[in-house]
Parts: sequence; structure tokens; C-alpha cells
Amino acid sequence: DIQMTQSPSSLSASVGDRVTFTCRASQRIGSFLTWYQQKRGKAPKLLIYAASSLQSGVPSRFSGSGSGTDFTLTISSLQPEDFATYYCQQSYSIPRTFGQGTRLEIK
Amino acid sequence: QVQLVQSGAEVKKPGASVKVSCKASGYSFTSYYMHWVRQAPGQGLEWMGLINPSGGTTSYAQEFQGRVTMTRDTSTSTVYMELSSLRSEDTAVYYCAREFRRGAEDKFDYWGQGTLVTVSS
Repeated sequence: DIQMTQSPSSLSASVGDRVTFTCRASQRIGSFLTWYQQKRGKAPKLLIYAASSLQSGVPSRFSGSGSGTDFTLTISSLQPEDFATYYCQQSYSIPRTFGQGTRLEIK
Repeated sequence: QVQLVQSGAEVKKPGASVKVSCKASGYSFTSYYMHWVRQAPGQGLEWMGLINPSGGTTSYAQEFQGRVTMTRDTSTSTVYMELSSLRSEDTAVYYCAREFRRGAEDKFDYWGQGTLVTVSS
């Protein structure tokens, strides 16, 4: 199974900050990497697919990059509604493993 | 519009089984795989398995092999996830999620609202 490791596990930031999350795969997965946002008590929401493609309707302050084993999700200017938990997932093979998540908190 | 509507919360005793449904609408049911993902309280997302609604073929995560069964009913555009021999560690919110796949574009683009399953004696 491919293991997905996210860092940091939590992050405190302020509105307007630029933040970056990291996701590392235990083996090369090309660009088969997806990012989801989850708010408390809600289902995950798709943000980025194929490592860097923005899902329709997602604000352009979200961006993704990377390929192979190392990936990043960047929020260019944090908005109040962005405080949530972010998960990466590989879609390269079965089982479709998720990272453990990065919780973004208000500083 | 695409919708995935799941069945309501369940409370089960240890050793029992639970069957959660996910009714799809707004798209061609047999054209997209459906996955199940669960989330224990305060924990991350855990992939459980998938079903191809077209032929009914399935693939399950190793940790659920022998305990989980995913089925579908094409007449009602509904997929089901049944988990047996429940234990307290199975207390979680269970989600269905549609997989959109086109080349390198592979994503869970729609999710159900989640079904809370509580296992308690």
C-alpha cells in the first residue's frame, strides 16, 4: 500500500497569511494526487485534482504543485472560511490512501 | 444536479451488522465507481473500498476483507455498504463518494452527507 504523510499535522495562521501544506507519498505516484478540505461535521470537499488542477468553483487562492512523491497545497491569502482540515489522497492505486490531515487553525 | 443521499444514523450492538445506503441522482449511475470512506470521531479519513455499479465488481481494503460487502441496485441507483461483526472501533461517520475518472483526472467529486454508525452495548 502507498503511505501518504502530511506535514505539519496542525498549523496556526492569520487571515491574509500565505500557507503551504506538504504531502509525501511512500512511492512515486506521478500526478495522481488530490486535495480535500473538510470542515467540522461536513463531508470532504474537493479542491485540487491531478496535483495542480483547480476544481471548478474553488477560489483561485488555492493552488497545488508537485509530482512523483512530493506535493504541496498553497493558500495564497487565508480567508476566514479556510480554517479547516486538509487531506491529500493518492489516486494512483488501490487502496486509495489518505494522508492523516493537516488542521489549519486561527492564530 | 448530482446528489448522493445516505441513510440515517444507526446504533448497533457489538457483533451486529449495519447496512448503509447511498442513493445517487443527477447522473448516469452505472458510469461512475462509488467508494466508501469512513471517519472515526476526531480521526482522519479511511478508505474502505469501491464498487463498480455497472457490473457490481468490488475491491475492499485489506482491513475490512471478510467483514464488508458492497452491493448496488441499478433499478434505484443505490449502493449499499454492509459491515458485519461490529465492534466499538467501527463507530464512525461513513461516507459514499463518487469517483470521476478521465485519464490523470481522478477525483472524488461528490460525497454523500455521511451516516453516523454508533456501536455500543
